[in-house]
Amino acid sequence: EPEVTQTPSHQVTQMGQEVILRCVPISNHLYFYWYRQILGQKVEFLVSFYNNEISEKSEIFDDQFSVERPDGSNFTLKIRSTKLEDSAMYFCASTRGREDRELFFGEGSRLTVL
Amino acid sequence: GQNIDQPTEMTATEGAIVQINCTYQTSGFNGLFWYQQHAGEAPTFLSYNVLDGLEEKGRFSSFLSRSKGYSYLLLKELQMKDSASYLCAVRQRGSARQLTFGSGTQLTVLP
Repeated sequence: EPEVTQTPSHQVTQMGQEVILRCVPISNHLYFYWYRQILGQKVEFLVSFYNNEISEKSEIFDDQFSVERPDGSNFTLKIRSTKLEDSAMYFCASTRGREDRELFFGEGSRLTVL
Repeated sequence: GQNIDQPTEMTATEGAIVQINCTYQTSGFNGLFWYQQHAGEAPTFLSYNVLDGLEEKGRFSSFLSRSKGYSYLLLKELQMKDSASYLCAVRQRGSARQLTFGSGTQLTVLP
């Protein structure tokens, strides 16, 4: 069964460092998303991406964040200068159509900022 | 904006039935979803309702009343592996963000 894959599964970084989280969405999917979940809190929307541009972003997705689809398969989330409060699980997700019944999630990348 | 409420915690016994409620307020409602999330793992899709009524899928059923802004997830014949967080999520018409999640209900199944 096709799946969304994410790397790394866990990254530890120092405050102020840049981090890139990578995702490979399901191959025939067209809509891509990043969500995050701080430990013990709700899953929060960060950004959606379609046709090589951002469709919508939340108030969390400030200038420190960026997304890119550098080639036909990868979808990356970059945090330019990490803060302690960026520590969270980051989930990539994808759908083929915008109104699909199911949002397919990757296994997540746990980011720990020290 | 959107508001989604669900109980923080529930406990039930193996073999029993449990109902997890969710109320929501949103403009342009375009679907309600239930996801299961085990600790440290990704959410996995359980059910989807966009019209009023009951959707059944094995041991899991989900109900929706759009006029009341209310849904429930019903789990039958509870098993220990059903211990997890159950997330209610809403999709809003015209929004590209897909889903807005509630805080989740942590279900503990006791032997």
